[in-house]
Amino acid sequence: AQSVSQHNHHVILSEAASLELGCNYSYGGTVNLFWYVQYPGQHLQLLLKYFSGDPLVKGIKGFEAEFIKSKFSFNLRKPSVQWSDTAEYFCAVNPNQAGTALIFGKGTTLSVSS
Amino acid sequence: EPEVTQTPSHQVTQMGQEVILRCVPISNHLYFYWYRQILGQKVEFLVSFYNNEISEKSEIFDDQFSVERPDGSNFTLKIRSTKLEDSAMYFCASSSGTRSTGELFFGEGSRLTVL
Repeated sequence: AQSVSQHNHHVILSEAASLELGCNYSYGGTVNLFWYVQYPGQHLQLLLKYFSGDPLVKGIKGFEAEFIKSKFSFNLRKPSVQWSDTAEYFCAVNPNQAGTALIFGKGTTLSVSS
Repeated sequence: EPEVTQTPSHQVTQMGQEVILRCVPISNHLYFYWYRQILGQKVEFLVSFYNNEISEKSEIFDDQFSVERPDGSNFTLKIRSTKLEDSAMYFCASSSGTRSTGELFFGEGSRLTVL
């Protein structure tokens, strides 16, 4: 069965610090990879996604993620966080087949102090 | 921008009561999903629906749950006899289903509180 592991449960940073959130998945075939963000009191929103091609993908709000196939990883990064980045971040994966469900990691809470 | 809408935003019910959560997916999407998120926990997949039938379901989606697309726009989740542990945020999502995207679009959620 597919699974997604997010190793950081709660990350606390000061503004302007750099961010890296880890994500590993287990699945033997071709996958689509996603990072979703959930701001306090809001719904899940897509930050970025990887399907194929350049393993370094750029998303909204200055976020990027790198797919390393050999490590089954898709870590999220941002060089300089802002207070408004305080949110819950979820890594998700689905097989590269039409209509398959997303499997989510447990999420990482990011708290940014100003 | 098209969006997934869910009603109600919050429902409080007594244990043992039936609850129906409603969703209007994005109009040209073909795949529909329900997820839930118990407070403080991860987002869990419940069920996916395509071509008027369930295409996948998780272990959570037992006989107490059912889904339906009663008309061309709504997608509903019914819980027949609610339990305390059904208290959660329930998210509906839809996708176009094309292999090249796989992106799910989520609604804002329906918070269910079972007393």
